[in-house]
Amino acid sequence: QKEVEQDPGPLSVPEGAIVSLNCTYSNSAFQYFMWYRQYSRKGPELLMYTYSSGNKEDGRFTAQVDKSSKYISLFIRDSQPSDSATYLCAITTGAGSYQLTFGKGTKLSVIP
Amino acid sequence: GAVVSQHPSWVICKSGTSVKIECRSLDFQATTMFWYRQFPKQSLMLMATSNEGSKATYEQGVEKDKFLINHASLTLSTLTVTSAHPEDSSFYICSARDQGHNQETQYFGPGTRLLVL
Repeated sequence: QKEVEQDPGPLSVPEGAIVSLNCTYSNSAFQYFMWYRQYSRKGPELLMYTYSSGNKEDGRFTAQVDKSSKYISLFIRDSQPSDSATYLCAITTGAGSYQLTFGKGTKLSVIP
Repeated sequence: GAVVSQHPSWVICKSGTSVKIECRSLDFQATTMFWYRQFPKQSLMLMATSNEGSKATYEQGVEKDKFLINHASLTLSTLTVTSAHPEDSSFYICSARDQGHNQETQYFGPGTRLLVL
């Protein structure tokens, strides 16, 4: 079992839809959870950073962490064509070298 | 805040030449920087972890003599691809850890696209 599992998609939704992106992980030592957005031929951009279980909201984005289920989600409300990108979940134990373990990324297309 | 730059953004070189890529944290100090490479439609692959003032730690399978990493200051790390070959063509991305704020996260540069002919 891989440490972080993420459905690569592709995922195609109409503009205005609510998007749900998910990752599962196996190592209970993971404590810090991030979502990155990567446009084609660009470096990843940090969208959300969370530590504890629960929800964190920032504009149209909501990150959700359920440590008991080892399950994290990113919700995008009122999706826009500009949200079309690959979304990567990234997790770390927060110790040692602080290396991130990435999901494979989900490619999202928002159709006008 | 938390801006990371990379230079150059793209480079084309002949086989056998060396290429240096710079990674700078513009508005924070980064004791730790990371170097990744990414092939088309694949996720990021960590190459090495770079710590300011010490030798980089390379991931298994990454040749340290081919990919030279120098982290001489708290805002600059460089990756030199020595004697580049076509198979080294890839997208190289650096990231930096802001030790003063949300130190568990990494902030990424825009990437450098390398094409070796």
